Amino acid sequence: SQTIHQWPATLVQPVGSPLSLECTVEGTSNPNLYWYRQAAGRGLQLLFYSVGIGQISSEVPQNLSASRPQDRQFILSSKKLLLSDSGFYLCAWRRDRGFENTIYFGEGSWLTVV
Amino acid sequence: LAKTTQPISMDSYEGQEVNITCSHNNIATNDYITWYQQFPSQGPRFIIQGYKTKVTNEVASLFIPADRKSSTLSLPRVSLSDTAVYYCLVGGTGGFKTIFGAGTRLFVKA
Repeated sequence: SQTIHQWPATLVQPVGSPLSLECTVEGTSNPNLYWYRQAAGRGLQLLFYSVGIGQISSEVPQNLSASRPQDRQFILSSKKLLLSDSGFYLCAWRRDRGFENTIYFGEGSWLTVV
Repeated sequence: LAKTTQPISMDSYEGQEVNITCSHNNIATNDYITWYQQFPSQGPRFIIQGYKTKVTNEVASLFIPADRKSSTLSLPRVSLSDTAVYYCLVGGTGGFKTIFGAGTRLFVKA
């Protein structure tokens, strides 16, 4: 079966510090990968998606970046965090085969920028 | 991508049936309709998916009229634990972008 893991689960970072959130998917190959952000009490904002290694599409201009160094690894980074980067970050994957288009989410990472 | 419109929030009482309707007027021929449930501090999880007519599983039913321009998620006999945000998503194969709408916040009261 397929599983998705992301870490760390929670972190508190000072303004201007770097960020690295990691996500890995197991049990499938060539998944579509996604990073979402959710502010408290708000909806899901799509940040990045990737259809293959090294292929990243950005949805929202910001100081965040994403990378996909391996087929099942997706990394969200920032060189200098802003207060507005605080939120709940979710990694997700989707199998794009046949009519299967269900998206599966990781456990989420709570980021508080202070 | 088909844009979706849902009510912002709904209230219900335990034991009642809840119906949440989603409008998707520009749904494409190969688009499927998928509903997700999200609890606080968790990622959304799949509830049900359909293409046309009616789909039922152990959790919910999904009603899709012939024109497919809307869909209704039906939750039978809700309990307090069904309090969550429910998202309607429309998309098909090959659509790499997966964008969620605002969702519907369901409050189930005792």
